[in-house]
Amino acid sequence: GQQVMQIPQYQHVQEGEDFTTYCNSSTTLSNIQWYKQRPGGHPVFLIQLVKSGEVKKQKRLTFQFGEAKKNSSLHITATQTTDVGTYFCAGSLNYGQNFVFGPGTRLSVLP
Amino acid sequence: DAGITQSPRHKVTETGTPVTLRCHQTENHRYMYWYRQDPGHGLRLIHYSYGVKDTDKGEVSDGYSVSRSKTEDFLLTLESATSSQTSVYFCATRPKDRAYEQYFGPGTRLTVT
Repeated sequence: GQQVMQIPQYQHVQEGEDFTTYCNSSTTLSNIQWYKQRPGGHPVFLIQLVKSGEVKKQKRLTFQFGEAKKNSSLHITATQTTDVGTYFCAGSLNYGQNFVFGPGTRLSVLP
Repeated sequence: DAGITQSPRHKVTETGTPVTLRCHQTENHRYMYWYRQDPGHGLRLIHYSYGVKDTDKGEVSDGYSVSRSKTEDFLLTLESATSSQTSVYFCATRPKDRAYEQYFGPGTRLTVT
């Protein structure tokens, strides 16, 4: 079945450093979403990417969808303590009703 | 956040007992989902619903059943709980007109002893 992997599993950074998490799918995706989950909280939708090679920005966050639509990345510039949490990607096939989530990347930011 | 509530928020139960978790939404969203979250696995889909009385299995549906008799309620039942079902369970909803964005409830922490 469809598999979605994420690396790294954990990342510890000093406040102000950059951070990147990578998402890779075993199959071509129709679209991909990113979510953030704060410790003890629930996942919160960040963004959706649909087009091959698409790049979207939200303030310090940059999201990219690969040309082959099998991988994606999330880059945070100049991390802040408010960025702490686990970042999940979720991919869908054929714009289906379901999404397969990656295992997540847990980000720690040291002040 | 969408008006999604889950009950109970915490539950401890014994192996072999039936357990029902409830997800309630006030947003009239068409799609509803049940996920379980375990360390190292992210969120795994158990069952989902695309309308009243319309449900289908996800990737980890064994040992679980669901029902949706009203738009606002989606119930997840563990017929006979096992220790492997100890997890955090999240309900999510998705409105038809907002394409694919999912809204998650606060979660239910279930411990099976």
